[in-house]
Amino acid sequence: NAGVMQNPRHLVRRRGQEARLRCSPMKGHSHVYWYRQLPEEGLKFMVYLQKENIIDESGMPKERFSAEFPKEGPSILRIQQVVRGDSAAYFCASSLGDSSYNEQFFGPGTRLTVL
Amino acid sequence: SQKIEQNSEALNIQEGKTATLTCNYTNYSPAYLQWYRQDPGRGPVFLLLIRENEKEKRKERLKVTFDTTLKQSLFHITASQPADSATYLCAHPLTDNTDKLIFGTGTRLQVFP
Repeated sequence: NAGVMQNPRHLVRRRGQEARLRCSPMKGHSHVYWYRQLPEEGLKFMVYLQKENIIDESGMPKERFSAEFPKEGPSILRIQQVVRGDSAAYFCASSLGDSSYNEQFFGPGTRLTVL
Repeated sequence: SQKIEQNSEALNIQEGKTATLTCNYTNYSPAYLQWYRQDPGRGPVFLLLIRENEKEKRKERLKVTFDTTLKQSLFHITASQPADSATYLCAHPLTDNTDKLIFGTGTRLQVFP
């Protein structure tokens, strides 16, 4: 049973370009969370999605950032017009959901570098 | 706002000793706490979950305590090994009835042979 998959593992973009980060949850998991980790900082919640629905995007900047989890295919975190401050590790996690107390399974992360 | 504090200084201990890591939280009484391990360049790996009505939880060489009065959780690794060297993260839900988590910055543990 494959774990949470993320790609690419490393992404380099110039300022103003778009970044697309992909996450395939574990088989059977319908809940996906995106977190951002800056150097020397803890993981920060960004957005929580279920299939075809954004449940909570309170941690995601209102501008330039968007997320989706379509019926078919991976969840995608999209950052438009990237700036240097977007450089970070972005982690996706999945869980069975439906109630609290679920452990989250994390992917290996995508390290975004904005030049 | 909610905050989780973990000792940002690295903890260095000798192999075979017990490592004890501290997690303090503020401004919220979570229904549970989770502990994760993170190795450099990798995603966090879930270790243990402890609920507010549980004082202690064990899993092999790991032990977690949860003191809701002190707003503190302690994470112990007994008979530590060099392979236990990693960063350990404490987390709890941001609000009730949710799995979205707030994480501490983690404590780096280094176990020397």
